[in-house]
Amino acid sequence: DARVTQTPRHKVTEMGQEVTMRCQPILGHNTVFWYRQTMMQGLELLAYFRNRAPLDDSGMPKDRFSAEMPDATLATLKIQPSEPRDSAVYFCASGLLLAGVLKEDTQYFGPGTRLTVL
Amino acid sequence: AQSVAQPEDQVNVAEGNPLTVKCTYSVSGNPYLFWYVQYPNRGLQFLLKYITGDNLVKGSYGFEAEFNKSQTSFHLKKPSALVSDSALYFCAVRDPYWNRDDKIIFGKGTRLHILP
Repeated sequence: DARVTQTPRHKVTEMGQEVTMRCQPILGHNTVFWYRQTMMQGLELLAYFRNRAPLDDSGMPKDRFSAEMPDATLATLKIQPSEPRDSAVYFCASGLLLAGVLKEDTQYFGPGTRLTVL
Repeated sequence: AQSVAQPEDQVNVAEGNPLTVKCTYSVSGNPYLFWYVQYPNRGLQFLLKYITGDNLVKGSYGFEAEFNKSQTSFHLKKPSALVSDSALYFCAVRDPYWNRDDKIIFGKGTRLHILP
């Protein structure tokens, strides 16, 4: 049963510390998405990658957030320095985008990382 | 740019009754439409999607959704609600054309409460 995995599941840190969240997409998937979910804002798209290339990170605060895909099996989201307003659940999702034909992209979500910044 | 609206923050339904969770969309051309469900402390789970073909789409857990192009709606339905259906439901839309924006846009979510 293929699944998206995320680590850590929970993270509590102090303001100013660096936070790194990791995601392992489903093997063979070529798109990866990072979302943030809060009560106030709902589900926000932060960044997404296709074939490891970043396509859109307009949803991310550029000064403190960065997203990378060092290889096809790992995506990372880093916050440095972290702030209390970053407290949220961060989800990674992966999907398969088929080029040259009608595209359809069912996204498969990981369990999320619950981040608390004190 | 595409968008999706879920007009109800919360829907309450008695167990055994039919349920409807509403969704309307805006996109140029024929959209790809999705419903996802989120149970407490879990990630979103795919329920069903409309790409093309029959307007009535059947999905997981007995859910179905009806695509209505004239009303630009994609309401989620189930004939008989279960308490275990209580969760947060997200409608999502995507532009199907390769050269345009390929992000999925999610609605704000509708919290469904099934009352025993």
